[in-house]
Amino acid sequence: GQQLNQSPQSMFIQEGEDVSMNCTSSSIFNTWLWYKQDPGEGPVLLIALYKAGELTSNGRLTAQFGITRKDSFLNISASIPSDVGIYFCAGRLTQGGSEKLVFGKGTKLTVNP
Amino acid sequence: DSGVTQTPKHLITATGQRVTLRCSPRSGDLSVYWYQQSLDQGLQFLIHYYNGEERAKGNILERFSAQQFPDLHSELNLSSLELGDSALYFCASSEPDTTYGYTFGSGTRLTVV
Repeated sequence: GQQLNQSPQSMFIQEGEDVSMNCTSSSIFNTWLWYKQDPGEGPVLLIALYKAGELTSNGRLTAQFGITRKDSFLNISASIPSDVGIYFCAGRLTQGGSEKLVFGKGTKLTVNP
Repeated sequence: DSGVTQTPKHLITATGQRVTLRCSPRSGDLSVYWYQQSLDQGLQFLIHYYNGEERAKGNILERFSAQQFPDLHSELNLSSLELGDSALYFCASSEPDTTYGYTFGSGTRLTVV
């Protein structure tokens, strides 16, 4: 089945540093999504990407939809303590007449003040 | 508030028991997805319902079952509980077109003792 390889698995950074994480797949997706999960809460959508090559920003967050449609990255600039959490990538594809999201295993981010 | 309501928020029960988790999707969403998340792990897809019908099954144990009712709320039934079933259980909902991804509830934390 489809798999998303998300890396790194975890990151420990100092407040103010920039962060980069990415997802790759052997499958082509028509949409890439990035979610953030705060401790003890459900994942919340951060950014959605719909076109190959698309670069989208949301405040300090920037994400890109890879040209090959098989990868995406998320950058966080000038990290702050509230950036702590697990970041998930998700790819959307159509299979067997239905649509579904495939999730990466997450990148756990720790920000030291 | 994401619009997806999960109850209860916390549940503590003994091994061998049976519990029911409830999910009300966001207004207008016909799809409901159930996910299991063990400590610091990724999101394990369990099952997907669309407008009352089962659409896809993931790594769902035979001891687990789900259904979606005519009013579109969904219930996840977990029986013969084991210690390893302790986890966060998330429900997510989406429009038929998953262009905008899934909207997650805040989860039910199940502890089996």
